[in-house]
Amino acid sequence: DAKTTQPPSMDCAEGRAANLPCNHSTISGNEYVYWYRQIHSQGPQYIIHGLKNNETNEMASLIITEDRKSSTLILPHATLRDTAVYYCIVRSLNTGTASKLTFGTGTRLQVTL
Amino acid sequence: GAGVSQTPSNKVTEKGKYVELRCDPISGHTALYWYRQSLGQGPEFLIYFQGTGAADDSGLPNDRFFAVRPEGSVSTLKIQRTERGDSAVYLCASSSGLGNTIYFGEGSWLTVV
Repeated sequence: DAKTTQPPSMDCAEGRAANLPCNHSTISGNEYVYWYRQIHSQGPQYIIHGLKNNETNEMASLIITEDRKSSTLILPHATLRDTAVYYCIVRSLNTGTASKLTFGTGTRLQVTL
Repeated sequence: GAGVSQTPSNKVTEKGKYVELRCDPISGHTALYWYRQSLGQGPEFLIYFQGTGAADDSGLPNDRFFAVRPEGSVSTLKIQRTERGDSAVYLCASSSGLGNTIYFGEGSWLTVV
């Protein structure tokens, strides 16, 4: 699977939008971009995923650039409960690869008052 | 239950002992994954089951680690002759099929003393 690059940490004021960037310049055409987050002492939580179109759900929005080499996860109104490590993962859905998730070290988002 | 369930949530064992960690996937999910997470690191893939068979065990660190899923539902991760370096959170995850969204449990915290 393609590797991803994320900043190690970010801060965001509560109520503001949190924009978390991810570079995946070696992504191939059949690979999806997935985002998970992990709140301290909990298991990873699925947030959103996309292939090439922008996606939105009740948790977040995912903006993927036209060349698919980077993406941004947007939490529109961050709260203290959004403080977590956010993982951007490129995932192949080829049947021969188990479609496993390969985690990096993620971005530690700290939401402050 | 509604989510992936793992037991025990915490386990302290002595070096050299045998340990079993249990995972109950989401009902109906055919794909099951085991991951290991050390402090400050992202989760690392261990093994993947599709049904009863281990389709990918490339992440198991050595032959002290073994996992089974005899009836295609509950899975057990078995660690023989535990070492202090095995101390980590062991995460189980499941999905409704290859390539579908993967959902994680809260993990089993293993401490080897």
